[in-house]
Amino acid sequence: GAGVSQSPSNKVTEKGKDVELRCDPISGHTALYWYRQSLGQGLEFLIYFQGNSAPDKSGLPSDRFSAERTGGSVSTLTIQRTQQEDSAVYLCASSSLAGDLKEQYFGPGTRLTVT
Amino acid sequence: QKEVEQNSGPLSVPEGAIASLNCTYSDRGSQSFFWYRQYSGKSPELIMFIYSNGDKEDGRFTAQLNKASQYVSLLIRDSQPSDSATYLCAVTVRGSTLGRLYFGRGTQLTVWP
Repeated sequence: GAGVSQSPSNKVTEKGKDVELRCDPISGHTALYWYRQSLGQGLEFLIYFQGNSAPDKSGLPSDRFSAERTGGSVSTLTIQRTQQEDSAVYLCASSSLAGDLKEQYFGPGTRLTVT
Repeated sequence: QKEVEQNSGPLSVPEGAIASLNCTYSDRGSQSFFWYRQYSGKSPELIMFIYSNGDKEDGRFTAQLNKASQYVSLLIRDSQPSDSATYLCAVTVRGSTLGRLYFGRGTQLTVWP
């Protein structure tokens, strides 16, 4: 079946512009996580959704970052006024049950480059 | 502070050898331990998980956990060139969001023919 998909796969943007990154989780997966992987760094947790609610936003680095999820499915991560330090690969993961990491799958990621 | 530390490598082993990847973690509340493989430009893929002290074997992979020493390792026996990838160690922590993982920076492994 279809896995987690993300779009765009690559995004190059100028400093100061806003960007939207999209995640389509596996159908029926209620738990959705966003991570960021900067060059030479491990994956850094950003936000967790259970359904359309985000009980844990503690990883969002600044108020320029926001995310939403609609219909218990698609999630959008928005970065406003992008900075060069936002350049990273943004990964989304989903699972049918929160905490069921054996059945949590990552998407291919969006590589964001801020020039 | 929930630190997960890995040797960044690169680790280079010949085909057929045993590759040993190590990970230490700082939070004694760490509960579950995961090893992900990440090929260049690809997303992480779960290859092993371990919850209890001791060894867990799955094919050519063995995960070893020592909670007293806060140490988890991954052994890859009969290494193949296709095992060349970055291996990420990750943990969950008691009291943290369900499913939230804390990752190390990864160890890059190269298996040469």
